[in-house]
Amino acid sequence: QKEVEQNSGPLSVPEGAIASLNCTYSDRVSQSFFWYRQYSGKSPELIMSIYSNGDKEDGRFTAQLNKASQYVSLLIRDSQPSDSATYLCAVNLGFGNEKLTFGTGTRLTIIP
Amino acid sequence: DGGITQSPKYLFRKEGQNVTLSCEQNLNHDAMYWYRQDPGQGLRLIYYSQIVNDFQKGDIAEGYSVSREKKESFPLTVTSAQKNPTAFYLCASSIQIASRETQYFGPGTRLLVL
Repeated sequence: QKEVEQNSGPLSVPEGAIASLNCTYSDRVSQSFFWYRQYSGKSPELIMSIYSNGDKEDGRFTAQLNKASQYVSLLIRDSQPSDSATYLCAVNLGFGNEKLTFGTGTRLTIIP
Repeated sequence: DGGITQSPKYLFRKEGQNVTLSCEQNLNHDAMYWYRQDPGQGLRLIYYSQIVNDFQKGDIAEGYSVSREKKESFPLTVTSAQKNPTAFYLCASSIQIASRETQYFGPGTRLLVL
């Protein structure tokens, strides 16, 4: 069983709509959760981090965490063509464990 | 101008050759990491270092070696023992704030085998 799972996509969303990206993880003691955006040929860029259950908003991005169900999601409102990228979910699998485990990423395409 | 730099951007390796990838950071971060990314796959941890002169193997350390002689530098050597080295190599460093650690990535080095 994969430790961090994401739907590989591609996920196609019309411009201006809400894009919803999901991630599940296997280890219940996971403490920290991150979303990175990776453009083709480029390195990952941190866009959101979340540590507590509930929602965290930053501009057009909202991260949602549900530890009981072991999933974390990323919502992108008013999607723009520049949001087209692969989104990587990363999880810190234990308090004090500095290693991040990454999912394989979801490729998002925003259709103009 | 603070950040993480990696060089070269592209690197070509001949059969049986060892090559070294450079990673430098001026962010005063204590921890540094090396990941490998293959097409369509997530990042896999090769080595990491939390302090100078100390490092640990990650999930796929075989065929790789590292050193951490300075806080700012964490070079990765891809040895001839690594039989499938073609990949995108990413260096990261991290800062810990209020017991939470966040990793930031350099621009990456793409390694190709001739």
